[in-house]
Amino acid sequence: AQKITQTQPGMFVQEKEAVTLDCTYDTSDPSYGLFWYKQPSSGEMIFLIYQGSYDQQNATEGRYSLNFQKARKSANLVISASQLGDSAMYFCAMREGGTGTASKLTFGTGTRLQVTL
Amino acid sequence: EAQVTQNPRYLITVTGKKLTVTCSQNMNHEYMSWYRQDPGLGLRQIYYSMNVEVTDKGDVPEGYKVSRKEKRNFPLILESPSPNQTSLYFCASSLVRSSYNSPLHFGNGTRLTVT
Repeated sequence: AQKITQTQPGMFVQEKEAVTLDCTYDTSDPSYGLFWYKQPSSGEMIFLIYQGSYDQQNATEGRYSLNFQKARKSANLVISASQLGDSAMYFCAMREGGTGTASKLTFGTGTRLQVTL
Repeated sequence: EAQVTQNPRYLITVTGKKLTVTCSQNMNHEYMSWYRQDPGLGLRQIYYSMNVEVTDKGDVPEGYKVSRKEKRNFPLILESPSPNQTSLYFCASSLVRSSYNSPLHFGNGTRLTVT
């Protein structure tokens, strides 16, 4: 079974609008972290935001927020006031924290976001 | 500046010619890992290292070797590259080897083409 599922291969959003990128995850580990990364066309992977499984509040970092719904196992990224520079590939990822595990980062297949004028 | 440095950024080679992609981090991180990225498949882990002299296989280790002789360096070795290893490769590190709340910091990537 896929551990991280991103069902939107591509999304369009108009400049200044908000957009939500979907991510669902699957784990039986009670301790885990959820991460979002941005990959612009230049190729580098940029860490955006983190949400821990025990965190009570949704994470926010500037224009980025994470809509964490634990019971539904979803961790959607919300970008407010989109800018042209937000056009990129976005990856959701999970790191599980079980004892003795290597705790690798498992990625979804990504969503390509295009911001239009 | 805290960073993960990979070299080279671009590499074109021929089948069977051994190559090494270097990776170095200056953040004193315990954990280092290599990923490859292919269209439609996301990023997949090749190898990881939880500390010096400790390495282990990830999800797609076939055709690759690694070593961790020093904490800061984690080179990826392709002894006999094949065209199916054409990919974008990332080295990454994190402070704590097994903490689920520790983000990975990535290098800028190495785009490898094997003809």
